[in-house]
Amino acid sequence: EVQLVESGGGLVQPGGSLRLSCAASGFTFSSYWMHWVRQAPGKGLVWVSRINSDGSSTSYADSVKGRFTISRDNAKNTLYLQMNSLRAEDTAVYYCARTVGGESADYWGQGTLVTVSS
Amino acid sequence: DIQMTQSPSSLSASVGDRVTITCRASHSISNYLAWYQQRPGKAPKVLIYKASSLASGVPSRFSGSGSGTEFTLTITSLQPDDFATYYCQQYFGLGTFGQGTKVEIK
Repeated sequence: EVQLVESGGGLVQPGGSLRLSCAASGFTFSSYWMHWVRQAPGKGLVWVSRINSDGSSTSYADSVKGRFTISRDNAKNTLYLQMNSLRAEDTAVYYCARTVGGESADYWGQGTLVTVSS
Repeated sequence: DIQMTQSPSSLSASVGDRVTITCRASHSISNYLAWYQQRPGKAPKVLIYKASSLASGVPSRFSGSGSGTEFTLTITSLQPDDFATYYCQQYFGLGTFGQGTKVEIK
């Protein structure tokens, strides 16, 4: 069974940092691109970042470029999102999702909540 | 960047109704469009990919059409399980979502 389990969310002060993890199981992690998508409370889905299967190529939404870094460890079947210089507007549930190449996401994690507040 | 405009933002419908949701892309995205359903407190679930391909396990009352810049999601005979929020997403570029359409019970 395919499973994606996010962790690492929590309360952080503006300007602070947080690292999210997404543990994958039930499939060959190294064969899939992975994405982070976020959803602010009561708002819509927003694509954040993606990484290709071997980690050699990454992309970011303009709103997080230069502050967030996506990475993966295929030996540990884990995806990461390092979030620095956090702002109140980064408050959201963060989902990881997998795709076959640059296709649509077929499996999503349950999400982890990040709250940026003083 | 490719922008996605989804309409309507919400609609009220009854069980058994036919529902149509529209998504417009700011640039041609060929057929690189997906539709997702999201229930409150849950992760999104893919319904349609490549604009018109039904995802595995999705009931046949869901269908998608369109190419280029205009796309539609149609639900024939709305069921109680279908009251949720629906999002389109283009993946020709980076992965922009539409604003969402909340389908509520009339």
